[in-house]
Amino acid sequence: GENVEQHPSTLSVQEGDSAVIKCTYSDSASNYFPWYKQELGKRPQLIIDIRSNVGEKKDQRIAVTLNKTAKHFSLHITETQPEDSAVYFCAASPTGRRALTFGSGTRLQVQP
Amino acid sequence: DGGITQSPKYLFRKEGQNVTLSCEQNLNHDAMYWYRQDPGQGLRLIYYSQIVNDFQKGDIAEGYSVSREKKESFPLTVTSAQKNPTAFYLCASSISVGQNYEQYFGPGTRLTVT
Repeated sequence: GENVEQHPSTLSVQEGDSAVIKCTYSDSASNYFPWYKQELGKRPQLIIDIRSNVGEKKDQRIAVTLNKTAKHFSLHITETQPEDSAVYFCAASPTGRRALTFGSGTRLQVQP
Repeated sequence: DGGITQSPKYLFRKEGQNVTLSCEQNLNHDAMYWYRQDPGQGLRLIYYSQIVNDFQKGDIAEGYSVSREKKESFPLTVTSAQKNPTAFYLCASSISVGQNYEQYFGPGTRLTVT
């Protein structure tokens, strides 16, 4: 089955700096890669996703890049703000009717 | 925060007892999922269901059971066979299983077994 590894497990940045979270996946047939954000005490929510026919996608201060050859994808947050502090999960969806496989999460702390 | 609900928010049980966690959705989604969240281990899939009266094991199904008698409901039973049941349990739903469909999560149930 699919295996998703996520790094780093914790990340601390100063407000205004950029943050990058990286994930690798094992199943070359996976073709959908969402990112979820979980604020403290709240449920995970989708923040951005990318499909395998696209190399990069941006939404305001967040962007995701995908390298299919290397089987890795990354989340980039620019101009970080304290409200970006949360746990971020990457995930990969293999082909066929199977569920998402999630990474282990990255706890991002933005220092004001 | 509507759409998918879980109850109760906190649950305490004695070791050796079975316990059932509730998950209800009014999003008209076909697919529903149960995840277990432990510190540093992300979201691990327990069971998922693509449609009523059908469900598949996830990565850590041992010691758990589910049913899907109604589209809106997907209860999870944590049995006494689950060796480490204390965890945070998240239910989710999506339009269908597979690629490209956003998963909507419930607020979670924190189960403590002593």
